[in-house]
Amino acid sequence: DVKVTQSSRYLVKRTGEKVFLECVQDMDHENMFWYRQDPGLGLRLIYFSYDVKMKEKGDIPEGYSVSREKKERFSLILESASTNQTSMYLCASSTTSEWNEQYFGPGTRLTVT
Amino acid sequence: KQEVTQIPAALSVPEGENLVLNCSFTDSAIYNLQWFRQDPGKGLTSLLLIQSSQREQTSGRLNASLDKSSGRSTLYIAASQPGDSATYLCAVGMDSSYKLIFGSGTRLLVRP
Repeated sequence: DVKVTQSSRYLVKRTGEKVFLECVQDMDHENMFWYRQDPGLGLRLIYFSYDVKMKEKGDIPEGYSVSREKKERFSLILESASTNQTSMYLCASSTTSEWNEQYFGPGTRLTVT
Repeated sequence: KQEVTQIPAALSVPEGENLVLNCSFTDSAIYNLQWFRQDPGKGLTSLLLIQSSQREQTSGRLNASLDKSSGRSTLYIAASQPGDSATYLCAVGMDSSYKLIFGSGTRLLVRP
């Protein structure tokens, strides 16, 4: 079974802090994704990566950056957290050889105060 | 631009009923379609993936169908149980892209 883990289930940070959210997958998937989910707005793609050190912007990349130094790990960075970044953050992974079926982690509920 | 719609937004049924959840999309040039389940405050669990060349997929009490020409997919749940209560999301993967475009979900309540 594919396993996608995220470093924290709940996180509370202050405005202006630098925040790191980490995601690890154990199935050697080449593709990894970061989404945020908000009531009424659904899931929106922030960034994705199709290989180590490769990244592409999704629909809402402003205020975020990402890092993928190893194939199994994909980090989302909030350079200077703001209250409008309070949200549920979901990581996913997929492999092209399985029709890109995406597998999700448990999510991180981030609150910025 | 691809748009994915799920109707109804919420559904309440008595235990044991067979039910159908609907998903429609505007652009038929899709790569795949995936159905997910999400429990409150949790991540998404993949239920079924239908490749663009397939018409349906089955897993246990779940059956998903795909009609690309009409831009529709349905998720059929047989003999519903209270444990099926969750939000069900469909998502479409487009050609030459890894991105999924999500519908807004159907919130299902199965009453004992």
